[in-house]
Amino acid sequence: GEDVEQSLFLSVREGDSSVINCTYTDSSSTYLYWYKQEPGAGLQLLTYIFSNMDMKQDQRLTVLLNKKDKHLSLRIADTQTGDSAIYFCADSATAGNKLTFGGGTRVLVKP
Amino acid sequence: GAVVSQHPSRVICKSGTSVKIECRSLDFQATTMFWYRQFPKQSLMLMATSNEGSKATYEQGVEKDKFLINHASLTLSTLTVTSAHPEDSSFYICSAQGPRAYGYTFGSGTRLTVV
Repeated sequence: GEDVEQSLFLSVREGDSSVINCTYTDSSSTYLYWYKQEPGAGLQLLTYIFSNMDMKQDQRLTVLLNKKDKHLSLRIADTQTGDSAIYFCADSATAGNKLTFGGGTRVLVKP
Repeated sequence: GAVVSQHPSRVICKSGTSVKIECRSLDFQATTMFWYRQFPKQSLMLMATSNEGSKATYEQGVEKDKFLINHASLTLSTLTVTSAHPEDSSFYICSAQGPRAYGYTFGSGTRLTVV
């Protein structure tokens, strides 16, 4: 079946950039998402990208998509302590279809 | 923005009792809602997909008689954990498709503890 993988942990200093990577196997993935989860909370949509796009920028967030390599990344510029959380990438083959989540990357921002 | 309200946020129940969790889309209609379970330090595991007015579709390995899902209206889906046991203790999260077709809005989750 389809699979989405992420690295488990990322430590970054406040003010630096963070890059979280994600790989997926489903070549029919049409929509790809990044979610943020803080302790004891639900998931907050950070950004999404359609598979016909290579890059999307939204304020401090930049998403890069390499469809050939099935690689997705999320760059957070000027990382703040409030960015400490678990970040999940997810993909969906069609709108409204179920999401397949990666295992989550725990980001720790050090002062 | 779009909001999905999930209640209760935390519940403790005794073994053998049933617990109902509600998921409401407050400012949009959700034809499809999803229920997830999340174990500590793990990813979300999809349990079932519920469509308004029809039976839920359960993922493999999820007991439909134990986890009853009802999606009676376009804004409300409920998950009832029947005859709960300690191994059912987990974090349950709902998600509603919308408001855009490619969007998914998540509830804040319910921490269930069965004692």
